[in-house]
Amino acid sequence: GAGVSQSPSNKVTEKGKDVELRCDPISGHTALYWYRQSLGQGLEFLIYFQGNSAPDKSGLPSDRFSAERTGGSVSTLTIQRTQQEDSAVYLCASSLSGGAGTDTQYFGPGTRLTVL
Amino acid sequence: DQQVKQNSPSLSVQEGRISILNCDYTNSMFDYFLWYKKYPAEGPTFLISISSIKDKNEDGRFTVFLNKSAKHLSLHIVPSQPGDSAVYFCAASGTGGSNYKLTFGKGTLLTVNP
Repeated sequence: GAGVSQSPSNKVTEKGKDVELRCDPISGHTALYWYRQSLGQGLEFLIYFQGNSAPDKSGLPSDRFSAERTGGSVSTLTIQRTQQEDSAVYLCASSLSGGAGTDTQYFGPGTRLTVL
Repeated sequence: DQQVKQNSPSLSVQEGRISILNCDYTNSMFDYFLWYKKYPAEGPTFLISISSIKDKNEDGRFTVFLNKSAKHLSLHIVPSQPGDSAVYFCAASGTGGSNYKLTFGKGTLLTVNP
């Protein structure tokens, strides 16, 4: 079946502009995660959605970052007033039920964001 | 503070030989460990995992060893194949309510030469 898809695959924007990144999880997966990978770094947890529960936003680096998940499926990560340090690959993952590290997370190909 | 460390940015091995990728962690609350493999322009894919109650888990050519007292794990690939060339990430999750969070190392680029 289809895996996790993300769009766009690449985004170049100017400092100060807002961007929206989209994630379509695997059908039937109730848990959805956002991570980012800055150059030379490991993946960094940003936010976690599980069903209708309040999301865990503890990894968001600033209040310029927000995310929502509509209808328990598609998610959008929004970065307002982008800064150069926001340049990274933003990865979305989904898992069947969440709630445990043992629930395998399946990753999308990522969106490479470049802020000029 | 980096809680999961992969101190070798790269590793090169000959086809057919063993590849050993290492990972160290500092957080004693971690109880589940995973290895992900990533090809260029693709997302990471799950490879193998191990629970802290075990010291070894094997899946075909891939074996993960865990040494809890040393807070160290390693991934062995034998025999290595050119198709194994990729970046390998070590990841860990802990106990408690937010055990869905994975903490990743920076990755090791493995190159298997024909």
